[in-house]
Amino acid sequence: QQPVQSPQAVILREGEDAVINCSSSKALYSVHWYRQKHGEAPVFLMILLKGGEQKGHEKISASFNEKKQQSSLYLTASQLSYSGTYFCGTEWGSGNTGKLIFGQGTTLQVKP
Amino acid sequence: NAGVMQNPRHLVRRRGQEARLRCSPVKGHSHVYWYRQLPEEGLKFMVYLQKENIIDESGMPKERFSAEFPKEGPSILRIQQVVRGDSAAYFCASSRQVQGPGELFFGEGSRLTVL
Repeated sequence: QQPVQSPQAVILREGEDAVINCSSSKALYSVHWYRQKHGEAPVFLMILLKGGEQKGHEKISASFNEKKQQSSLYLTASQLSYSGTYFCGTEWGSGNTGKLIFGQGTTLQVKP
Repeated sequence: NAGVMQNPRHLVRRRGQEARLRCSPVKGHSHVYWYRQLPEEGLKFMVYLQKENIIDESGMPKERFSAEFPKEGPSILRIQQVVRGDSAAYFCASSRQVQGPGELFFGEGSRLTVL
């Protein structure tokens, strides 16, 4: 029952935009986004709580649609440093479990 | 300000041996999580622990795997009688988790290879 991410892989040129989606079959309490570079630890990007909140971090932002049980990560004007695998982690029900179930990941490759 | 420390970073074991993976959380964090990652795959939840308590072990295989987080010292993930299918990267994460969802701080991972 892990969340489903789409697309599985994206190849971009520097400066192009990308959207990564994360869908759940269960009611979401929160969605967390992480980026992992090859051979490294996943790094936290942002948390979104239910309520349709949108957050941003420089040129990376995300939205959370509680009705659709879906979150989207937006990467604008992509840079080479954005390359990596993006994971959404979901927390279900009433939250406060701290336990995150991660999607299968979306690999992003940004080329010069 | 040390992050999550995992050791060993790389571990090679022969089938049937035991593997012990250690994780020291961020100072002040009392919640520890273990995840397993197979090559080119996502992070699979294994277990969630607080000091001296296992909170959720729903992702742990029923046999050969155990985890602890003692009052003093690091969290330990123990795999007995390893098999080739146990080869993976094992990531530990910690959080402050006073209430509500919180940021997970991941360690660099321990990469287990079973020959």
